[in-house]
Amino acid sequence: GALVYQYPRRTICKSGTSMRMECQAVGFQATSVAWYRQSPQKTFELIALSTVNSAIKYEQNFTQEKFPISHPNLSFSSMTVLNAYLEDRGLYLCGARRAGGAGNTLYFGEGSRLIVV
Amino acid sequence: GEQVEQRPPHLSVREGDSAVITCTYTDPNSYYFFWYKQEPGASLQLLMKVFSSTEINEGQGFTVLLNKKDKRLSLNLTAAHPGDSAAYFCAVTGNYKYVFGAGTRLKVIA
Repeated sequence: GALVYQYPRRTICKSGTSMRMECQAVGFQATSVAWYRQSPQKTFELIALSTVNSAIKYEQNFTQEKFPISHPNLSFSSMTVLNAYLEDRGLYLCGARRAGGAGNTLYFGEGSRLIVV
Repeated sequence: GEQVEQRPPHLSVREGDSAVITCTYTDPNSYYFFWYKQEPGASLQLLMKVFSSTEINEGQGFTVLLNKKDKRLSLNLTAAHPGDSAAYFCAVTGNYKYVFGAGTRLKVIA
């Protein structure tokens, strides 16, 4: 089956510092990776969609300068939250789409929870 | 772009009762639909994915209905039990982007 691992599961960082999170697809090739954020008591907002060999597409209100993403191969992606502040706290999910997969299914990882103090 | 409205935001039912959560969407080109369950402090657990060609899908203890004409997707938990207490999210996609509903916090009272 398709598995997606995210690391770290939880991070506490001081306000103004940065946090890097990783997303690893296991058992399949991920042609695209979507990064989402769930702020406390809210729903999931798309931050950006990263497709190998294509430019990363950021959604409105999210920028590369704040959330740089690396997607060097078909099994790995990472995203950094730069200069994290209180409004950046939440659960960050990566969802990987399998090459040749049907139904636009995204396989989500367990998430990386960011706590800012 | 696609907009998804999910109702109700909070739902409390007694054990053994049914619980219905509904999402309406705006983009008629959407054709993949998902229901997720999120337990406290946890990530998303896929309950069911529905393609536009199928209107009724049954899972373990729940039924998903898709009404394409009304652009409505519903999750019906039959005979809810305390273990069903969680947040539930629908997601709709037509291309690359999943658009999530705002979520429903379900509480099942024993």
